[in-house]
Amino acid sequence: AQSVAQPEDQVNVAEGNPLTVKCTYSVSGNPYLFWYVQYPNRGLQFLLKYITGDNLVKGSYGFEAEFNKSQTSFHLKKPSALVSDSALYFCAGTGANNLFFGTGTRLTVIP
Amino acid sequence: GAGVSQSPRYKVAKRGQDVALRCDPISGHVSLFWYQQALGQGPEFLTYFQNEAQLDKSGLPSDRFFAERPEGSVSTLKIQRTQQEDSAVYLCASSLGFRLPGRGDYYNEQFFGPGTRLTVL
Repeated sequence: AQSVAQPEDQVNVAEGNPLTVKCTYSVSGNPYLFWYVQYPNRGLQFLLKYITGDNLVKGSYGFEAEFNKSQTSFHLKKPSALVSDSALYFCAGTGANNLFFGTGTRLTVIP
Repeated sequence: GAGVSQSPRYKVAKRGQDVALRCDPISGHVSLFWYQQALGQGPEFLTYFQNEAQLDKSGLPSDRFFAERPEGSVSTLKIQRTQQEDSAVYLCASSLGFRLPGRGDYYNEQFFGPGTRLTVL
């Protein structure tokens, strides 16, 4: 079965420090991978996607993600965390007609 | 421009009641998706429409769940005889076209609504 895994339920980072939110994938064929962010009482917001091409994908709000085929990973990164980045982050892959999501990682940026 | 809207935002139902959840996608978006998000979990796929055609309903958990999109825009998710296990946030998403014919497998991002939080007592 195709899946994505987010091994960390919670990530804490100090404001101004680099952040990483981890995601690994298990898919057949070409992986198409996404990152979404969810703020309280709001829908998921698209951050970035990997379809093909460069392994380093740049997205919204200064986020980027690195696709690593040998490690089957697609980690989300940001060079300098902001308190406003505190939210729930979801990694997702594509099924035949849908996205399938990881369980989410709650990021807390400490002032 | 307007994003995806959903109504109601909150719904409390007594067990056994029928409920209807509405989704207004972004104008011009061909694809529409429904997901169910249980507390502390990621969204789980329910069903997918391309225009008015329901192309995939493999995620609907039982025959009590029914979705429609009769004119290819607004969609309604109906749950009959609600049970406590139906309590969740129901998310609607739309996209320009999830897979673009003739361009290989190219997936447009989905835009999500704020969700409807359903509580079944």
